[in-house]
Amino acid sequence: DGGITQSPKYLFRKEGQNVTLSCEQNLNHDAMYWYRQDPGQGLRLIYYSQIVNDFQKGDIAEGYSVSREKKESFPLTVTSAQKNPTAFYLCASKTSGTVNTEAFFGQGTRLTVV
Amino acid sequence: KNEVEQSPQNLTAQEGEFITINCSYSVGISALHWLQQHPGGGIVSLFMLSSGKKKHGRLIATINIQEKHSSLHITASHPRDSAVYICAVRFLGGSQGNLIFGKGTKLSVKP
Repeated sequence: DGGITQSPKYLFRKEGQNVTLSCEQNLNHDAMYWYRQDPGQGLRLIYYSQIVNDFQKGDIAEGYSVSREKKESFPLTVTSAQKNPTAFYLCASKTSGTVNTEAFFGQGTRLTVV
Repeated sequence: KNEVEQSPQNLTAQEGEFITINCSYSVGISALHWLQQHPGGGIVSLFMLSSGKKKHGRLIATINIQEKHSSLHITASHPRDSAVYICAVRFLGGSQGNLIFGKGTKLSVKP
């Protein structure tokens, strides 16, 4: 079945460590997105990529990094520079080139810094 | 500032009730999405609309472009409808693909 897979579902990290969240899609979508969700707030865009080997910063990119070496994969690294990394992270994808198309979301990864 | 406001923030209903969730936005949009987030966190897209009205089963979404307002209605609500409902818009002139999200409406339907 086509869809987006995020792993792991739960992740614990010690302060000062980098951690990478996985996002894989088999929908043949060009565009992929990473969002962060905090309690009582709307989802906020961290990074997005419209095409392989290219990505753009979103509204809250500081302390995060991404890569887009393959169309199917858009991993997000939460670095030690992110001061408040505990949050729920969602990956999404959609076809690009046409603005009004449906976005598909993964099941999310809940990151906790311990 | 491009903003999306949802109301109410929390909603408790009895099974069978008709439910309305509202979404207002500040400037012109090219599309509006209604999303459903279950307790586990995964998000499912319910509707994408740019005008008029759409219906899927017991769910109805309407949008009034002139008033910059959309509503999501649930008829004959059921406990399995309990979830967070999120409105998201793509503003005209915004970067391609970037959605701006409301804070969500947490719906709890009691049996």
